[in-house]
Order: sequence, then structure tokens, then C-alpha cells
Amino acid sequence: QKEVEQDPGPLSVPEGAIVSLNCTYSNSAFQYFMWYRQYSRKGPELLMYTYSSGNKEDGRFTAQVDKSSKYISLFIRDSQPSDSATYLCAMSLTSGTYKYIFGTGTRLKVLA
Amino acid sequence: DVKVTQSSRYLVKRTGEKVFLECVQDMDHENMFWYRQDPGLGLRLIYFSYDVKMKEKGDIPEGYSVSREKKERFSLILESASTNQTSMYLCASTPGAGTEAFFGQGTRLTVV
Repeated sequence: QKEVEQDPGPLSVPEGAIVSLNCTYSNSAFQYFMWYRQYSRKGPELLMYTYSSGNKEDGRFTAQVDKSSKYISLFIRDSQPSDSATYLCAMSLTSGTYKYIFGTGTRLKVLA
Repeated sequence: DVKVTQSSRYLVKRTGEKVFLECVQDMDHENMFWYRQDPGLGLRLIYFSYDVKMKEKGDIPEGYSVSREKKERFSLILESASTNQTSMYLCASTPGAGTEAFFGQGTRLTVV
């Protein structure tokens, strides 16, 4: 079993839709959770960074962490064609480690 | 804004060549990483460095070495390039363990 599972997609939605992207993980010790957006042939850019459980909102993006279920989500409201990209989840343990575990990414297409 | 700069966007090298990939970050981050990204496999850690002249093997170090002579610069070396090292190479830096990672734009290396 992989430490982090992420549906590869592709996920196609119409413009304006609410998008839900998800990752599950197996290691209950993960404390830091990140979402990255990666456009084709570019490096990943950090979208959201959260610590432990709860929600965090930034504009049209909301990150949610449910540690009891070992499940994290990224919601995109009012999706735009410019949101079309691959979204990677990532997580790491508490301080003292340098290891980050990445999901394989979900490819999202927002259709105009 | 944190800037992580990789020296080349695209490289084509011949089998057996020694290849150098350079990465520079401008935010005085302690930690730097090299990953490779392949379809369906996600990001895999090759090496990381938590201080000048310090390095640690990641999950797939075979065939690679690294050098960190200055805090801002982290180099990945392919000792003798092989076709199975054709991949997207990503450099990242973080200010501390478990904190958000910032990525460069990636180097797409093709070994022929």
C-alpha cells in the first residue's frame, strides 16, 4: 500500500463548477499537509499549507484535513479554465524530518 | 517571493555523458532537495541536503551524486547518464524540516 493515494484523473468539469480533489494516507504521524498546482512542463507551485486538522481558506481554494479519517481535500470554487493543471498533495511528519511524501497528482480540466 | 532557479529547462545528453544540473535558491533556506518526476510514479526523492557540504540519500540515489559547496546552490550530478534517467528533475528548498517546500521550474532531461 502506498503511503499516499491520489486519484490520477483526469477530472473534467465545466467552468464555474466546484471541484473536490482528495488524498488518503496511511501514516497517522503526518502533521503538515500541502497542495501544489503544476502546469504542464512547469515545476509545482505551492497553493495551500496546513498544519494538523481543520480547514484553511484562501480565495477560491479551501484545504481540509481530517486526521481521524486520514483524508485531505482541496476544494476549488467557481473553477476557471486557468485552473486546469495537475494537483499534487504532499505531507510530512513533524519537525526533525526532511521527508515529504507526494501523491502522484490529479489532472484537472476545466472546460470553458 | 522565494525563488528557486534551475539552470536549464531542457537538456538532451548522450548515454555515458556526465551531466550537471544546477539549482540556486535566494531565500537562505537550510534545506535543498532533488526529485525526479515520472508519469504514474509521482515525485521521488534522489538526494537532499540540510546544510552546506551535508547530504543524505533519498529513495533513489543510484546513479546520482550531489554537491553543496554554498548554501544557495545544490547540484545534481549524473555520473554516467543512461536512458532510464530520462525524466523531469525538480529542485526544491525549505526553510526548515516539515515546512512548505518551494520548487524550481524543472529540468526536462532526455538521454539518447
